[in-house]
Amino acid sequence: DIQMTQSPSSLSASVGDRVTITCRASQRLDTFLNWYQQKPGKAPKVLIYGASSFHSGVPSRFSGSGSGTDFTLTISNLQPEDFATYFCQQTYNTPHTFGQGTKVEIK
Amino acid sequence: QLQLQQSGPGLVKPSETLSLTCTVSGGSVTNYYWVWIRQSAGEGLEWIGRLYTTGSTSYNPSLKSRVTMSVDASRNLLSLHVASVTAADTAMYYCARLQIYYNATYYSDWGPGTQVSVSS
Repeated sequence: DIQMTQSPSSLSASVGDRVTITCRASQRLDTFLNWYQQKPGKAPKVLIYGASSFHSGVPSRFSGSGSGTDFTLTISNLQPEDFATYFCQQTYNTPHTFGQGTKVEIK
Repeated sequence: QLQLQQSGPGLVKPSETLSLTCTVSGGSVTNYYWVWIRQSAGEGLEWIGRLYTTGSTSYNPSLKSRVTMSVDASRNLLSLHVASVTAADTAMYYCARLQIYYNATYYSDWGPGTQVSVSS
């Protein structure tokens, strides 16, 4: 299985901050890397697919970059509704695997 | 707007079979891949397997011997069965639709989840 390692596991930030979350894969993924947001009691929702493509309706303050094994999710101008847990996911090979999550908390 | 509605028992006894359903509305199950995922505090998000509307399946090797997925296209219904459950199968179970492009594959729509606890 492809191992996905996210960092940090949690962070504290303020409204208006720029936040960066990284994800490293144990093997190359081309661009088969997705980012999801999950709020308590809710299912995950896709933000970014194919490493850098926006899903419909996702605010432009979310952006993704990277290819191969190293990927980044950036949230610019953090908003109150962005406090949540974020997961990366590889869909290059089955079983599809997820990172352990990054919890973004209010400072 | 595609909606996925999940149902199933919240409590299953050890060694029994866990059975969940996912009903799709606002669209058809036909010509799409569908996946089941579970989430537990200890294991995070875990891919259980995927299902195409022809009935073709691919399961996680870690669960393969115990998992069965099926589709009833006439009812827009997906089913998941996990046999011989133990406490380790306690988790929130999700169904989701797989969106496939030439350079990307992702889960575009998710059900709300069904919390399943395994306990006597």
